[in-house]
Amino acid sequence: GENVEQHPSTLSVQEGDSAVIKCTYSDSASNYFPWYKQELGKRPQLIIDIRSNVGEKKDQRIAVTLNKTAKHFSLHITETQPEDSAVYFCAASRTNTGNQFYFGTGTSLTVIP
Amino acid sequence: DGGITQSPKYLFRKEGQNVTLSCEQNLNHDAMYWYRQDPGQGLRLIYYSQIVNDFQKGDIAEGYSVSREKKESFPLTVTSAQKNPTAFYLCASSRTSAETQYFGPGTRLLVL
Repeated sequence: GENVEQHPSTLSVQEGDSAVIKCTYSDSASNYFPWYKQELGKRPQLIIDIRSNVGEKKDQRIAVTLNKTAKHFSLHITETQPEDSAVYFCAASRTNTGNQFYFGTGTSLTVIP
Repeated sequence: DGGITQSPKYLFRKEGQNVTLSCEQNLNHDAMYWYRQDPGQGLRLIYYSQIVNDFQKGDIAEGYSVSREKKESFPLTVTSAQKNPTAFYLCASSRTSAETQYFGPGTRLLVL
């Protein structure tokens, strides 16, 4: 099956700096890569996603890049704010075969005011 | 994702007891999923259902059972065979099995 690795496990940045979280996947057939943000005790919330036919996607301060050859994708958050502090999870799936999501182990991001 | 509800918020299980977690959605989504979340391990898939009256095992199905008799509902039973059930259980749904998943608020299961 698919194996998703996520790094770093913890990340601290100063407010206003950028944060980058990286994930690698093993199944070259994976074609959908969502990112979720989870605040303590809350449900994961989708923040951005990318499909394998696209190399980069942006939404305001958040962007995701995908390198299919190297089988890795990254989340970029610019101009970080204290409310960005949360755990972020990446996932990979093959949407044409049941859409089972394989999640990374999460990155705990702390934005220091 | 506000259309996905889970109950109860907290659930306590005694030794040898089966317990059932509820998941309901009013989004008219075809696909539904159950995940288990443990600290430091991300989310792991227990069962998923792409359509009513059909479901498949995920990576950690042992000790769990599900049913999908209605489109809106996908209850999860944690049986006595699950020896380490303490975790945060998340239900999710997607419009089709090829689209993104949206999560419910979760149920925290604790063993007495």
